[in-house]
Amino acid sequence: DVKVTQSSRYLVKRTGEKVFLECVQDMDHENMFWYRQDPGLGLRLIYFSYDVKMKEKGDIPEGYSVSREKKERFSLILESASTNQTSMYLCASSLAGDTQYFGPGTRLTVL
Amino acid sequence: GNSVTQMEGPVTLSEEAFLTINCTYTATGYPSLFWYVQYPGEGLQLLLKATKADDKGSNKGFEATYRKETTSFHLEKGSVQVSDSAVYFCAPFDGSNYKLTFGKGTLLTVNP
Repeated sequence: DVKVTQSSRYLVKRTGEKVFLECVQDMDHENMFWYRQDPGLGLRLIYFSYDVKMKEKGDIPEGYSVSREKKERFSLILESASTNQTSMYLCASSLAGDTQYFGPGTRLTVL
Repeated sequence: GNSVTQMEGPVTLSEEAFLTINCTYTATGYPSLFWYVQYPGEGLQLLLKATKADDKGSNKGFEATYRKETTSFHLEKGSVQVSDSAVYFCAPFDGSNYKLTFGKGTLLTVNP
């Protein structure tokens, strides 16, 4: 079975802090994704990566950056956290982009 | 890009009731279509998919048929269980940019 793990289930940070969310997959997938999930808005794509060191902006990249130094790891970075980035963050990986395997999510609260 | 409209919830049913969750999409071309499910406290997981017109995806008693004429992919189950309580997401896949576009999700609660 594909396993996607995220570094934290719950995280509380202060406004202005730099925040790192880590995601690791164990299936040698090329593609990895970061989404945020908010009530009434569903899932929105922040960034995705189709290969090591490659990244593409999703629908809502503002305020975020990503890093993919190794195939199995995809990090989401909030350079200066703000309260409107309080959300559930979901990581996913995929071999071909269509069938995506999700991690359990990180619920981030920015105070 | 693709867009998707899902039936708004919440949907509350009694055990063994029939379930339909409507999903319609707009897309250029013929995208693959997916239903994902999110159980409480978990990430999303694939429920079923269909890759071309008239295909029927099925899993765990759920079914959905790819209807090209009506651009729809409605989710159905003949007899729901309490364990089916979850949020369901419809998602067309855009092969030109490798993106899944998720609907807003439909919360289903099944009461014993």
